[in-house]
Amino acid sequence: EPEVTQTPSHQVTQMGQEVILRCVPISNHLYFYWYRQILGQKVEFLVSFYNNEISEKSEIFDDQFSVERPDGSNFTLKIRSTKLEDSAMYFCASSSFPQAEAFFGQGTRLTVV
Amino acid sequence: SQQGEEDPQALSIQEGENATMNCSYKTSINNLQWYRQNSGRGLVHLILIRSNEREKHSGRLRVTLDTSKKSSSLLITASRAADTASYFCATGAQKLVFGQGTRLTINP
Repeated sequence: EPEVTQTPSHQVTQMGQEVILRCVPISNHLYFYWYRQILGQKVEFLVSFYNNEISEKSEIFDDQFSVERPDGSNFTLKIRSTKLEDSAMYFCASSSFPQAEAFFGQGTRLTVV
Repeated sequence: SQQGEEDPQALSIQEGENATMNCSYKTSINNLQWYRQNSGRGLVHLILIRSNEREKHSGRLRVTLDTSKKSSSLLITASRAADTASYFCATGAQKLVFGQGTRLTINP
């Protein structure tokens, strides 16, 4: 069964460093998303991406964040100058169209120390 | 916002019993989705119900949707220990809005 895969599963980084979280969406999906979940809190939308551009983003997704689809399979989230409060689970998701089921990866646990 | 909110926040039942979780939302929707999350793991899509549907089944899962009350329910029948997880409803299209979830514990 096709699935969304994310790497790494866990990343520890020093405050101020840049991290890149990687995702391989389901191959025939066209819409890609990043969400995050701070420990014990709700899953929060960060950004949606379609046709090689951001289609929607939340207030959380400020200039510190960027997304890219560098090739036909990968979808990345870059977090520049990480802060302690960026520590969270980051989930990638994809769907075939906006109203369809969104399938999530297993997440990357980011710990900023 | 289209925020979904689940009720109860926590539910503990015996294995074999049925578990019912509810979700309320605020604005009109095209569909509503239910997800499961095992502790520290990813979100697993369970079921999507469209706004013109009132009930949908998938295995031991039954989802209802009442758009007049802006509410949905997820029923898990004949619960198993492996059903222990948090359950979330989510509304929206490109931007899914999740509730706080119901933490379900199935006791053997």
